[in-house]
Amino acid sequence: GAGVSQSPSNKVTEKGKDVELRCDPISGHTALYWYRQSLGQGLEFLIYFQGNSAPDKSGLPSDRFSAERTGGSVSTLTIQRTQQEDSAVYLCASSPRWGGSSEQYFGPGTRLTVT
Amino acid sequence: EDKVVQSPLSLVVHEGDTVTLNCSYEVTNFRSLLWYKQEKKAPTFLFMLTSSGIEKKSGRLSSILDKKELFSILNITATQTGDSAVYLCAVGKAAGNKLTFGGGTRVLVKP
Repeated sequence: GAGVSQSPSNKVTEKGKDVELRCDPISGHTALYWYRQSLGQGLEFLIYFQGNSAPDKSGLPSDRFSAERTGGSVSTLTIQRTQQEDSAVYLCASSPRWGGSSEQYFGPGTRLTVT
Repeated sequence: EDKVVQSPLSLVVHEGDTVTLNCSYEVTNFRSLLWYKQEKKAPTFLFMLTSSGIEKKSGRLSSILDKKELFSILNITATQTGDSAVYLCAVGKAAGNKLTFGGGTRVLVKP
């Protein structure tokens, strides 16, 4: 079946502009996660969704970052007034169950470059 | 603060060699430890371990978890050039299962 998909695959934007990143999870997966991977760094947790609600937003680096999920499926991560330090690969993952022990399946990521 | 540490940082081996990758962790409310392989962008799921002392095996790859000593190892036997990748270890917590990742081990397998 189809895996996690993300769009766009690459995004170049000017500093100060807003960007929207999209994630389509695996059909039927209830949990959805956003991570960020900066150059030479490990994966950093940003936010996760159980259904449409986000119980844990602790990883969002600033109030310029927000995310929503509608219909228990597609999620968008929005970065307002982008800064150069926002340049990274943004990875989305989905999981068939929330909490407990459940593997997460990753999408191909969106490479964001802020010039 | 939750911490996941992988070693070595990188290694270079020749085809046919065996590699052992290490992952140690200090995490509150531990629930699971996962191994991923990252070649280009998307990490590919390899194993999830929740019970101590039980080896998981898939082909030439195997992994085991020691919950008392707080570490896991990933073994790759008879390595091939296609095994070249960054191997990531991550720990899932009981609440929400958000993953805390280690920095990864970069493996290069030479022909």
